[in-house]
Amino acid sequence: NAGVTQTPKFRILKIGQSMTLQCTQDMNHNYMYWYRQDPGMGLKLIYYSVGAGITDKGEVPNGYNVSRSTTEDFPLRLELAAPSQTSVYFCASSSPAPNPNTDTQYFGPGTRLTVL
Amino acid sequence: AQSVAQPEDQVNVAEGNPLTVKCTYSVSGNPYLFWYVQYPNRGLQFLLKYITGDNLVKGSYGFEAEFNKSQTSFHLKKPSALVSDSALYFCAVRDLQAYAGNMLTFGGGTRLMVKP
Repeated sequence: NAGVTQTPKFRILKIGQSMTLQCTQDMNHNYMYWYRQDPGMGLKLIYYSVGAGITDKGEVPNGYNVSRSTTEDFPLRLELAAPSQTSVYFCASSSPAPNPNTDTQYFGPGTRLTVL
Repeated sequence: AQSVAQPEDQVNVAEGNPLTVKCTYSVSGNPYLFWYVQYPNRGLQFLLKYITGDNLVKGSYGFEAEFNKSQTSFHLKKPSALVSDSALYFCAVRDLQAYAGNMLTFGGGTRLMVKP
């Protein structure tokens, strides 16, 4: 049971390049999330998904896109990388049943992205 | 809107001494409160949560937290600190009335340094 896995661990992009951050969970969780963590700041929610085929914007969605074609995978796409997207990105998952407000989110190890 | 404040960027404590990491919150409804720990180059790990009931919540690694509704606080505590407790600690809140895909709002984090 690997939990939540993310690839790559590190990446350097040039301004305007695109990339996809991969996230996979093997816990059969319905809910999945993408956060970014900037230095000295807490985590900010970028996008989330409550099940395959369903995604919605979080607090800071601009410049990102997501898809959820399977329960296991929740990739995050950066189309035109900008220096402001330099951050550490965390994927998380949770299983909200029976009470969606009390469940615990499980986090992946993160992807450290630098845009130059 | 929900918010979380961690007033201390860093807490220093000697090994064997008690530790407290402070957290205050603001929500419009009933709060669901969480503590997560982040070790270097790792994702966040769940420590404990308060949903309802006893105001003193016990969690992993000997940590506990006390919910105080009148002071809107949820301070993390441990009776005897270990050097291995040195890490970054995040408080998070979920507001039932602001439900949106289980969105958590995180504080900015507090770095705990335990010295031998």
